[in-house]
Amino acid sequence: GAVVSQHPSRVICKSGTSVKIECRSLDFQATTMFWYRQFPKQSLMLMATSNEGSKATYEQGVEKDKFLINHASLTLSTLTVTSAHPEDSSFYICSADRTSGGATDTQYFGPGTRLTVL
Amino acid sequence: QKEVEQNSGPLSVPEGAIASLNCTYSDRGSQSFFWYRQYSGKSPELIMFIYSNGDKEDGRFTAQLNKASQYVSLLIRDSQPSDSATYLCAVFTGNQFYFGTGTSLTVIP
Repeated sequence: GAVVSQHPSRVICKSGTSVKIECRSLDFQATTMFWYRQFPKQSLMLMATSNEGSKATYEQGVEKDKFLINHASLTLSTLTVTSAHPEDSSFYICSADRTSGGATDTQYFGPGTRLTVL
Repeated sequence: QKEVEQNSGPLSVPEGAIASLNCTYSDRGSQSFFWYRQYSGKSPELIMFIYSNGDKEDGRFTAQLNKASQYVSLLIRDSQPSDSATYLCAVFTGNQFYFGTGTSLTVIP
């Protein structure tokens, strides 16, 4: 299967700081990547769709100025949580859309980043 | 109506039994269907995809697709305690992916 990495895997920061999370597709190019957030015992929640070379599309209720997304290349998307607060503490998961010629698009997930804001 | 619906469970089966997980979708034009497994505290892992009507088998897993009924299922044969996880159904319409909220499966030793 395709490999998607995320860095860091875990981060603890003070309230008010900004945190950057990287998502990389290691063995394929991804025009589209997705960012999800998941609170304990809850479902995945799509935050935004990141498209290479264009602005991200945010889901309703997700503040684009707080969650900055940059998809600078076909293998890298970053999510920056600006001025993080304790309520931003969550499990952030990215996925990359792999398009195979003649076959279906498939999402492959990164291992996730656990953010704790003190 | 949600795009993808799953019974949240929890579903409990004894070890060695067949676990049956079900999913329905609303967009009749949907092209591809996926099953992901998510262990507690981990990210989802793709276990199967299917896009033709009928059955697709991979080891102990069988995905079944019925486009007329807009129904996709996952059967896990000889269930093991290590299969205990949340199983997410996902659908690709050709433009967008939609995920179900997941079914929690517990395999009892």
